[in-house]
Parts: sequence; structure tokens; C-alpha cells
Amino acid sequence: EDKVVQSPLSLVVHEGDTVTLNCSYEVTNFRSLLWYKQEKKAPTFLFMLTSSGIEKKSGRLSSILDKKELFSILNITATQTGDSAVYLCAAFPRRDDKIIFGKGTRLHILP
Amino acid sequence: NAGVTQTPKFQVLKTGQSMTLQCAQDMNHEYMSWYRQDPGMGLRLIHYSVGAGITDQGEVPNGYNVSRSTTEDFPLRLLSAAPSQTSVYFCASSPYALAKNIQYFGAGTRLSVL
Repeated sequence: EDKVVQSPLSLVVHEGDTVTLNCSYEVTNFRSLLWYKQEKKAPTFLFMLTSSGIEKKSGRLSSILDKKELFSILNITATQTGDSAVYLCAAFPRRDDKIIFGKGTRLHILP
Repeated sequence: NAGVTQTPKFQVLKTGQSMTLQCAQDMNHEYMSWYRQDPGMGLRLIHYSVGAGITDQGEVPNGYNVSRSTTEDFPLRLLSAAPSQTSVYFCASSPYALAKNIQYFGAGTRLSVL
């Protein structure tokens, strides 16, 4: 059965710290991996990763995919209170169109 | 830009009642989907559609029906609501042909079944 596992499930750090969120996947005929940020309402798209070893960056956020070891990480440097959110990882298989989400990592940044 | 619009934002039902959650997008996206989100469970796919007239089941389809008569609309029907269907429901769409993986989400519908 296809699955996506995120760790940790919850994380509390101080403003200015760097955090690494993990996402491992077991997906038949893997196509791509996505990261979303969810604050109070709907998830918003962060990154889509399809190739191993190519880092994607957006400001203080970056992400990379390892297709050999079947995982991805999301890094946030110099964290700010506005980074507090649930971060969702999702995998997209080739064989059909059913996106599989992990349970999310709830990140709380203390001022 | 309206994007993905869900209505209503909140709803309270009694067990056994039926209702339809509406979802409309104005981006001409082929792919649309419905998710439910429960505490500690992430997003679970209920039903999805890759185009008008085509629908398929996701991970948790029982108790829900969908139809896709137009590209813009993808309503989700609860036939006989149960307390287990208390959840937050999200509709999403994506440009299937170009970048189907990147989904745009509606603001969600918070449903309580008593």
C-alpha cells in the first residue's frame, strides 16, 4: 500500500533556529513529491520535486528529494513566528491520479 | 481572481440528513478533487475527477457521491450524514495537462454532524 510518512509530527523551536522536516514515501511508480504549508485555512503550495538531488529554494525555505532513499527534506532557516504552520508532504504516483498526503508536521515558532 | 470557491464555509447537520458541498473553480482546470482533514490525519482523498464526465474514488469514498457535469463545478454529496463525517472538507483543482501535481485549494468547509 502506498504511504507517506512525515516526521516529526510536532516541533517547537525558537525564532532564528533552523529546522529540518522529513518526509519518506513508499509509492508505486513515483512521479513527484510536493510540500504544502497550511496555516489556519487551506494548504498553499511550496515546492514540487521530481528529480533527485536538485535543491529547490524560495527565500528561507529549501527542499530536496532523494529518489534512491525515498525521502525528502524541507529546511527552514532563520525561522520566524510566521513560519508557524502545519507542513504537509504529498506523493504523486504515475499509475493513477490519487495524491497521497502525509499526516503533516506541526511547527510552532516561539518568539 | 476567485480561484477555488467552496460553499458553505460552515454547516451543521443532524444524523441522516443529506447535503451537497459546492466547489467551483474559474481557472479552467481539468483535475478536481475532494479531501477531508481530521485532527492528526493529514488530508485524505475522497473522490477526484480528471475532467468533465469522469470521476473516480479516492482513499475514503464511502458515504460520499460526486459528479462532474462541467469543468467548473465538482459538488460533493453526503447522502445520509453520520457523525463520523464530521470533518473539514477541502476541494482542490489543478491544471491537469500542464502541472497536475500543483493543486490549488479552496478555503474549506467545516462540517459537524450531530
